[in-house]
Amino acid sequence: GQNIDQPTEMTATEGAIVQINCTYQTSGFNGLFWYQQHAGEAPTFLSYNVLDGLEEKGRFSSFLSRSKGYSYLLLKELQMKDSASYLCAALDSNYQLIWGAGTKLIIKP
Amino acid sequence: GAVVSQHPSRVICKSGTSVKIECRSLDFQATTMFWYRQFPKQSLMLMATSNEGSKATYEQGVEKDKFLINHASLTLSTLTVTSAHPEDSSFYICSALGEGTDTEAFFGQGTRLTVV
Repeated sequence: GQNIDQPTEMTATEGAIVQINCTYQTSGFNGLFWYQQHAGEAPTFLSYNVLDGLEEKGRFSSFLSRSKGYSYLLLKELQMKDSASYLCAALDSNYQLIWGAGTKLIIKP
Repeated sequence: GAVVSQHPSRVICKSGTSVKIECRSLDFQATTMFWYRQFPKQSLMLMATSNEGSKATYEQGVEKDKFLINHASLTLSTLTVTSAHPEDSSFYICSALGEGTDTEAFFGQGTRLTVV
């Protein structure tokens, strides 16, 4: 079956770095997305990876290893506003999105 | 966890025809549903927000007469692409929000629309 795994909750300190991992098993693969969602709000797009490697966008970076079925989202210089849920989603061969349950990130001062 | 079912997952239609996409919340009541459009390697674009029993709120630049949204019940919202053209080909995603201000939105599987 198709599956996305990511941790349910993580806690980090303001100013630190945190890595949120995601592993996926899908029928075919057409890319992996990361979204940020604050409580009660619509999600916002963070990144899309389809090739292996690390893509950096300011304080956020996303990594993909297709051979390992693995991705991570790296957040640097954490700010309190980064407290949110982070959703990992993989696009399968039929262009269906397979969603993870999300990782709730709690930032402490 | 909560489940949102979106159908169809893929559809191919001819130019000028209309296509309806359904978004159902299977085990919770969705007071609000969001409809998004995503182009390859681009940001998820919010098209409209619909609340049960009222008219949808469309984002700037989204043609409300072309993308008809109906949220007739607490478990079903539909997006109809009317008089489809090839430029409407895209990936459409719905999400549903339950009651309360701190609930999360749950996503459908997406619909890949190809207009030929």
